[in-house]
Amino acid sequence: DVKVTQSSRYLVKRTGEKVFLECVQDMDHENMFWYRQDPGLGLRLIYFSYDVKMKEKGDIPEGYSVSREKKERFSLILESASTNQTSMYLCASSLSPRVGKTEAFFGQGTRLTVV
Amino acid sequence: AQSVAQPEDQVNVAEGNPLTVKCTYSVSGNPYLFWYVQYPNRGLQFLLKYITGDNLVKGSYGFEAEFNKSQTSFHLKKPSALVSDSALYFCAVRDIGYGQNFVFGPGTRLSVLP
Repeated sequence: DVKVTQSSRYLVKRTGEKVFLECVQDMDHENMFWYRQDPGLGLRLIYFSYDVKMKEKGDIPEGYSVSREKKERFSLILESASTNQTSMYLCASSLSPRVGKTEAFFGQGTRLTVV
Repeated sequence: AQSVAQPEDQVNVAEGNPLTVKCTYSVSGNPYLFWYVQYPNRGLQFLLKYITGDNLVKGSYGFEAEFNKSQTSFHLKKPSALVSDSALYFCAVRDIGYGQNFVFGPGTRLSVLP
């Protein structure tokens, strides 16, 4: 089975801190994603990577950056955390849809609270 | 641009009754469609997908979904609901072009009452 692991289940950070959320997948997937989930808003895409060192902005990239130096790892960085970034963060990975299996596999989520 | 709508925020059904969770979508080409389920404080779990072929697709835990191209719908169904099916359900569509992104609906909370 595919495993997507997020480094923390719960995090509490202070306003202005630089925050790193790590995600690792073990199935050699090309595509990796970071979403945030807020009540009533569903999942919103922050950033997407379709290969090592490649990244694309999603719908809400402001205040975030990402890093993908190795295929299995996709990091989300909050440059200067703010209270409006308090949310559930979900990492996902998938094969390219052209390859065949197209579904995304999700990590368990990181609930981040910025105080 | 792609979009997904789930017209019901909440669906309540009695245990043992059939359930339906609705989803409609908008895409420019042929859709790749998905259903996911989320239990409290957990990530999303894949239930089923439609890529091509038979309009009725079967997935995990007895769920199935019916693809209707003319109505641009992909409703999730189960013949007999269980209390343990109570969760948040998300419909999603995938762009197979340049972006390759998944676009999710807002989610529908299903409550199965004993």
